[in-house]
Amino acid sequence: EADIYQTPRYLVIGTGKKITLECSQTMGHDKMYWYQQDPGMELHLIHYSYGVNSTEKGDLSSESTVSRIRTEHFPLTLESARPSHTSQYLCASSEYRIRGPQETQYFGPGTRLLVL
Amino acid sequence: AQTVTQSQPEMSVQEAETVTLSCTYDTSESDYYLFWYKQPPSRQMILVIRQEAYKQQNATENRFSVNFQKAAKSFSLKISDSQLGDAAMYFCAYRSWDDKIIFGKGTRLHILP
Repeated sequence: EADIYQTPRYLVIGTGKKITLECSQTMGHDKMYWYQQDPGMELHLIHYSYGVNSTEKGDLSSESTVSRIRTEHFPLTLESARPSHTSQYLCASSEYRIRGPQETQYFGPGTRLLVL
Repeated sequence: AQTVTQSQPEMSVQEAETVTLSCTYDTSESDYYLFWYKQPPSRQMILVIRQEAYKQQNATENRFSVNFQKAAKSFSLKISDSQLGDAAMYFCAYRSWDDKIIFGKGTRLHILP
């Protein structure tokens, strides 16, 4: 099994609260990702990082922000949660090849967020 | 732009039978990776099998195998001797040289006892 962790696993919170979803991996992977996934639906990439101090926005626009101060850690923050943010958030990591097809992604268990 | 299509939103199979999940993709690249991921209800998404496009031989992992047809841009997953633990959402994914990864919409697989 992959060594990638997410906390909390479930979070119920009121509108307007600031939240941070944690993601960490112990595989030394340079590349990390955040996906948003509504129940029974496909994954949408919202953020990714090539390494420390690198952050990029994904294909789906998101009001969340991310940071990458350490290789193993890639937290996602919502400054003011709203009901439209209710979803599952999946973190993933992979090795990064400068050239050639990229390596397998490994996924965390996900955080299910409910904003009331 | 690359696309991945899973045309079967849901499928059911009798326990111990064989089932095939279909996936087609569109790309102009010649080298890439293809993956099948499994996401059980409320559990972690895990890699089932992967295929490198330059390899002609179909990948296999125990009861899971793929039928990779590069010219047809088809990448189906065959599950033999289906077990109750195989019930999950299955995602087909494409990964390119420039590190884009595209997921299909998924196929929910039900195993009937």
